[in-house]
Amino acid sequence: GQSLEQPSEVTAVEGAIVQINCTYQTSGFYGLSWYQQHDGGAPTFLSYNALDGLEETGRFSSFLSRSDSYGYLLLQELQMKDSASYFCAVRSLYNFNKFYFGSGTKLNVKP
Amino acid sequence: DTAVSQTPKYLVTQMGNDKSIKCEQNLGHDTMYWYKQDSKKFLKIMFSYNNKELIINETVPNRFSPKSPDKAHLNLHINSLELGDSAVYFCASSQPGLAEYEQYFGPGTRLTVT
Repeated sequence: GQSLEQPSEVTAVEGAIVQINCTYQTSGFYGLSWYQQHDGGAPTFLSYNALDGLEETGRFSSFLSRSDSYGYLLLQELQMKDSASYFCAVRSLYNFNKFYFGSGTKLNVKP
Repeated sequence: DTAVSQTPKYLVTQMGNDKSIKCEQNLGHDTMYWYKQDSKKFLKIMFSYNNKELIINETVPNRFSPKSPDKAHLNLHINSLELGDSAVYFCASSQPGLAEYEQYFGPGTRLTVT
């Protein structure tokens, strides 16, 4: 089975850097994805790590370590519009069309 | 142009009723999904279709019946609605291949059963 754990809530100030962790227990998966969801909105894709290491996309970076069963999303130069929920997700190695999502982390950015 | 669209956006109905939610994607993707997001924001896959064929059917009550008339459409019909069915239902699509890990979500349908 698959289980992905995230902190339920994180608070940070504008301009700061915040890291959202995702620890997982899984029997096998293709990479780790991250999605952002604003209140009342749809999840939107942010980044994907197929291999171990850091992937950078503008202010957002994502990291994966398969040996540690751990990944994180790093948000730099926080802006008020970054206040949202963030979900990590994996695609099952055994069922290609099955995605499992983490419990989600609500990020509150304060001025 | 909307990539993945759902109708209706809001649905309020009484217990015992039957209702449908429609989803359409204009991305040309082969795979479509239904997800349920509960009040704690937990996002859980319900069904997946690949080119009109059912691929995934999670442990969902058989009151829920998906239907894919063509690969651009995936509808969800729910019979005998129960209070616990209240949630936001998201349709999504993805394309096997280079960006297969990326799913595109519709705006969601907020279902309230009273």
